[in-house]
Amino acid sequence: QKEVEQNSGPLSVPEGAIASLNCTYSDRGSQSFFWYRQYSGKSPELIMFIYSNGDKEDGRFTAQLNKASQYVSLLIRDSQPSDSATYLCAVRPPASYDKVIFGPGTSLSVIP
Amino acid sequence: GAVVSQHPSWVICKSGTSVKIECRSLDFQATTMFWYRQFPKQSLMLMATSNEGSKATYEQGVEKDKFLINHASLTLSTLTVTSAHPEDSSFYICSAPAPAYEQYFGPGTRLTVT
Repeated sequence: QKEVEQNSGPLSVPEGAIASLNCTYSDRGSQSFFWYRQYSGKSPELIMFIYSNGDKEDGRFTAQLNKASQYVSLLIRDSQPSDSATYLCAVRPPASYDKVIFGPGTSLSVIP
Repeated sequence: GAVVSQHPSWVICKSGTSVKIECRSLDFQATTMFWYRQFPKQSLMLMATSNEGSKATYEQGVEKDKFLINHASLTLSTLTVTSAHPEDSSFYICSAPAPAYEQYFGPGTRLTVT
């Protein structure tokens, strides 16, 4: 089992819709979770991080964490064509000071 | 905000030659830096953790003799791909830890080995 898994893409949504991206992780002791966005040929940029169970909202983005289910998701409301990118879920393993493990990524395409 | 730079941004080299990639923290000191490799349509794979003044820590399966890492100062880490082959062609990205367990990523280096 891979350490971090994401729903397979590509995911296509119409402009203005909600895009839902999912991620599961295998190490139950993991404490920190990150969502990065990566445009083709560019390095990742952080969208959100979440540590506690529940929801965390930042503008059009909402991260949801359920540690019991080892599940973290990212919702993008009012999706825009500029949101078209690959979204990477990253998890910091327990006892890791600053190393993170990236998931395989989900490609999102927002159709105008 | 903090900036991490990489040089070169892209490089083409012939098979069998060595290539050095630099990663610099521009306005902060980084005792630790990470090196990732990303193949097309794949995720970032951590290759090694670079530690200032000490040996790098390599991830399982990464050849330490092929990917030489030197972290000689608090602002510079280098990755040298020795005897490069076409299968080493990839996007190499470095990063440095940031507050709240985030990472500052460099812009990446595209390596093509012909």
